[in-house]
Amino acid sequence: DIQMTQSPSSVSASVGDRVTIACRASQGISTWLAWYQQKPGKAPELLIYAASSLQSGVPSRFSGSGSGTDFTLTISGLQPEDFATYYCQQANSFPWTFGQGTKVEIK
Amino acid sequence: QVQLVESGGGVVQPGRSLRLSCAASGFTFSSYAMHWVRPAPGKGLEWVAGISYDGNSKFYADSVKGRFTISRDNSRNTLNLQMNSLRAEDTAVYYCAREIAVAGTDRRLDYWGQGTLVTVS
Repeated sequence: DIQMTQSPSSVSASVGDRVTIACRASQGISTWLAWYQQKPGKAPELLIYAASSLQSGVPSRFSGSGSGTDFTLTISGLQPEDFATYYCQQANSFPWTFGQGTKVEIK
Repeated sequence: QVQLVESGGGVVQPGRSLRLSCAASGFTFSSYAMHWVRPAPGKGLEWVAGISYDGNSKFYADSVKGRFTISRDNSRNTLNLQMNSLRAEDTAVYYCAREIAVAGTDRRLDYWGQGTLVTVS
């Protein structure tokens, strides 16, 4: 199975900050990577697919990059509604796997 | 608009069974692969199972293989998850999600239901 490792596990930031979350795959997955946001009590929501493509309706302050084994999610100009947990997920091969999550908290 | 509504959750004793359903609307259900995902304590989200648009291909996480069965009824726009031999560690909110795929480019879960809670105790 492909293991997905996110870092950091949590980050404290202020409104307006730039936040970067890293995700590393245990083997190459090309760009078969998606990022999701989840708020407490809510279902996850798709932010980024194919490593760098922005899902329709998602604000442009979210961006993704990377290929192979190393990926990043960047939030440029953190907004109050962005405080949530973020997950990367590989769709290169079954079983699909998620990272353990990165919680973005208010500083 | 796309809607996914899960049902069937509840409290069940260890070793017993439960069947979850996901009612889909607002899209051509028979054209999309579907999946079940749950949170895993201390591990974030865990993909549980997936099924192809026609039901001919099914995939499972190692943690549920042999105990859970995913199925679909395209005539009723319904996705199912039969869960047998339930364990305490299966306790979670179970989400169904639609997969959208572009051949050779990407696969992603673009719509999710609100989840149904399963408690094994």
